[in-house]
Amino acid sequence: AQSVTQPDIHITVSEGASLELRCNYSYGATPYLFWYVQSPGQGLQLLLKYFSGDTLVQGIKGFEAEFKRSQSSFNLRKPSVHWSDAAEYFCAVGFPNYGGSQGNLIFGKGTKLSVKP
Amino acid sequence: ETGVTQTPRHLVMGMTNKKSLKCEQHLGHNAMYWYKQSAKKPLELMFVYNFKEQTENNSVPSRFSPECPNSSHLFLHLHTLQPEDSALYLCASSQDPGTSGTRIGTQYFGPGTRLLVL
Repeated sequence: AQSVTQPDIHITVSEGASLELRCNYSYGATPYLFWYVQSPGQGLQLLLKYFSGDTLVQGIKGFEAEFKRSQSSFNLRKPSVHWSDAAEYFCAVGFPNYGGSQGNLIFGKGTKLSVKP
Repeated sequence: ETGVTQTPRHLVMGMTNKKSLKCEQHLGHNAMYWYKQSAKKPLELMFVYNFKEQTENNSVPSRFSPECPNSSHLFLHLHTLQPEDSALYLCASSQDPGTSGTRIGTQYFGPGTRLLVL
């Protein structure tokens, strides 16, 4: 069965430090990959997505993610974290249904990021 | 208004009440979704509407009743809910590429309705 794993429930980093959030998926082919961010009391905002092509994807707010097929991973990175990046981050994987119906997303459980001053 | 909007943002209801959640998308999309987000659980897909037709119902109890009158509006009608139904209910929309390609649409989310069932 398809699944998405975010191994880290909570991460704390110092402001200005680098960040890497992990995401692994289980699927027999290359899925479509997404990272979303959720601030307290808000909905999910799309950070970036990977469908095909260059495996290093740039997103908004200075985030990037790298797709590694051999590791079934799509880790999110940021070189220098800002206090405003404190939020919960969700990895999502889409498995398109060929034949026209909408491919649905499976979400990881999320990683909560805290930023120390 | 831009993007995906949801009303109300907060709702408190008793177990015998009937209420409705509303979602509206201003993106010209043709697919809309309801998700439930509970503490310590992954985001759960509840319903999917594609071109106003329901294409997915993830074994959701009948006390939740969706309605999609057109491709811009989605409702979730609630009746005789249980306290465990308290959660953040998120609406999303996307553009379904249909049969023309193998890609899926990117989903854009609203701010959610925080529901508390007493």
